[in-house]
Amino acid sequence: GAGVSQSPSNKVTEKGKDVELRCDPISGHTALYWYRQRLGQGLEFLIYFQGNSAPDKSGLPSDRFSAERTGESVSTLTIQRTQQEDSAVYLCASSLAGDSYEQYFGPGTRLTVT
Amino acid sequence: GDSVTQMEGPVTLSEEAFLTINCTYTATGYPSLFWYVQYPGEGLQLLLKATKADDKGSNKGFEATYRKETTSFHLEKGSVQVSDSAVYFCALIPKYSSASKIIFGSGTRLSIRP
Repeated sequence: GAGVSQSPSNKVTEKGKDVELRCDPISGHTALYWYRQRLGQGLEFLIYFQGNSAPDKSGLPSDRFSAERTGESVSTLTIQRTQQEDSAVYLCASSLAGDSYEQYFGPGTRLTVT
Repeated sequence: GDSVTQMEGPVTLSEEAFLTINCTYTATGYPSLFWYVQYPGEGLQLLLKATKADDKGSNKGFEATYRKETTSFHLEKGSVQVSDSAVYFCALIPKYSSASKIIFGSGTRLSIRP
């Protein structure tokens, strides 16, 4: 497909388990962003990848959160030892270049921690 | 810190009604302002933007004017359609900041009755 895809679309996990969320950006987009959206709140920036530069991790809420990106392709967001407050929709976006507001968003992964 | 406040939803209107979704911001200097839209089952999409005071962004019949006097960027449409039903997010990028620091409002759900 032509858009950003994310998997799974829904994930229910038990507190304390680790989860991995996947993002496939649009082909050719060098920049990739992860956001979190808690119920009734706006999007919170988590992490930003731009090409081969060191990622901007300033939005990660704790050391339980980490993300990787292979080259300019797939990214995975990992949450270790999940807590109930991690329940949210996790959104991925990509853009042609860094520092572009023309971000293209995926449909998100809804994570529920029970 | 910088922030965006938008009217709480849900907003329910009849087809062909006039729409206003209020958005105000707090920021140092003059940020760039945006409206994003999320249609059911899809990712967020950039709807319109304004990068300096008094600019008017417009797209798909929607308009928003950057008002520095009132620090507002209200979204308007003269005659809404059922297909406009979606969640609308107001957002800003602080001046001299990178696009990774885009700050979103909490979103306003709009439902249009036929």
